[in-house]
Amino acid sequence: EAGVAQSPRYKIIEKRQSVAFWCNPISGHATLYWYQQILGQGPKLLIQFQNNGVVDDSQLPKDRFSAERLKGVDSTLKIQPAKLEDSAVYLCASSFRGTGGTGELFFGEGSRLTVL
Amino acid sequence: TQLLEQSPQFLSIQEGENLTVYCNSSSVFSSLQWYRQEPGEGPVLLVTVVTGGEVKKLKRLTFQFGDARKDSSLHITAAQPGDTGLYLCAGGVGFQKLVFGTGTRLLVSP
Repeated sequence: EAGVAQSPRYKIIEKRQSVAFWCNPISGHATLYWYQQILGQGPKLLIQFQNNGVVDDSQLPKDRFSAERLKGVDSTLKIQPAKLEDSAVYLCASSFRGTGGTGELFFGEGSRLTVL
Repeated sequence: TQLLEQSPQFLSIQEGENLTVYCNSSSVFSSLQWYRQEPGEGPVLLVTVVTGGEVKKLKRLTFQFGDARKDSSLHITAAQPGDTGLYLCAGGVGFQKLVFGTGTRLLVSP
């Protein structure tokens, strides 16, 4: 079974530029998550989808970040314009059940963003 | 906002030593998961505990969920270099949401 696929693995941009990350979850997983992980810290949830609907985006900086999951499968996360503090690894995860937090999250390898 | 504080933040030990990592919060969680993350990879689930006071063992790793479901601990017996990584606890909140802890970086030297 294929795992969660993310691209690109690495991206370097200058501040005020835009960037987009792509995620393809495990087949059949209804719940998809985007997390931001600053080096050495725990992941912070940015947005959570159930199929193509948003369950939680309370910590998504909506003035610069946007995410979509149009057909309930793959998803894109966009940052425009980027700031220096956006430098982080962006992790995508998917879950089959996603119920009550007891379902296992399967993570991709992440997309490392460096903003200069 | 639910917060999960892990301690210590960083632990450097010799092969064969024992260690305990703590995960604490003032909030109650419906479940508690532990993940391990290696450099350049995403976190991988180690265990899920759902009942207050529950203890689970995974080879040399022992996980415990606090009676009040606000805290958890991870104990590693006879640590090996392969145990090196970032250990993350994560609490289940409400419907389908998982909140991650601050992380504990473990380095086990031969």
